[in-house]
Amino acid sequence: IAGITQAPTSQILAAGRRMTLRCTQDMRHNAMYWYRQDLGLGLRLIHYSNTAGTTGKGEVPDGYSVSRANTDDFPLTLASAVPSQTSVYFCASSSSSAITGELFFGEGSRLTVL
Amino acid sequence: EDQVTQSPEALRLQEGESSSLNCSYTVSGLRGLFWYRQDPGKGPEFLFTLYSAGEEKEKERLKATLTKKESFLHITAPKPEDSATYLCAVQANTGGFKTIFGAGTRLFVKA
Repeated sequence: IAGITQAPTSQILAAGRRMTLRCTQDMRHNAMYWYRQDLGLGLRLIHYSNTAGTTGKGEVPDGYSVSRANTDDFPLTLASAVPSQTSVYFCASSSSSAITGELFFGEGSRLTVL
Repeated sequence: EDQVTQSPEALRLQEGESSSLNCSYTVSGLRGLFWYRQDPGKGPEFLFTLYSAGEEKEKERLKATLTKKESFLHITAPKPEDSATYLCAVQANTGGFKTIFGAGTRLFVKA
């Protein structure tokens, strides 16, 4: 089934540890995004990639990094996790960032930093 | 600054009781306004895109409308399976075309 796969589904992490959230899509979409969702704040953009080989900063990029080595994969790395990064993380894709259209979302990765 | 505000935060309806959800937006040049549905523990699922004031889109019991300042999601004769969080988002003509989301309205429909 075409779509976005995120891993892990859920993770508890000690503060200071490094963590990579994985995201893979099989729709051959050019644009990919990472959002975090916190109660009362809605979805906030962390980083995005308009096409393979390029990345950009969103609204809340501090403490996170991304890479886009190919079209399908867009991992999000927390270099040294802090409790404020406790959140639900969603990866999304769209056929083009410049053309309005729907975002396809993964099922999310729930991260707890203690 | 581009901004999206949704109201109410939560809405409780009886089955068959029609109502509307509001999405107010401030954006420097609207490229598109989107509605998504999100079920608990799931990712958002796309419902509609609206591009210009006066436009309307319908899907089953849902109808989305758009003015220059806000959008409404009208729910006609809702059923319990319509219970979900409904998210509104806008894409501006500037800032790399990034999509900005509102905090959502949680809808509860009781049988």
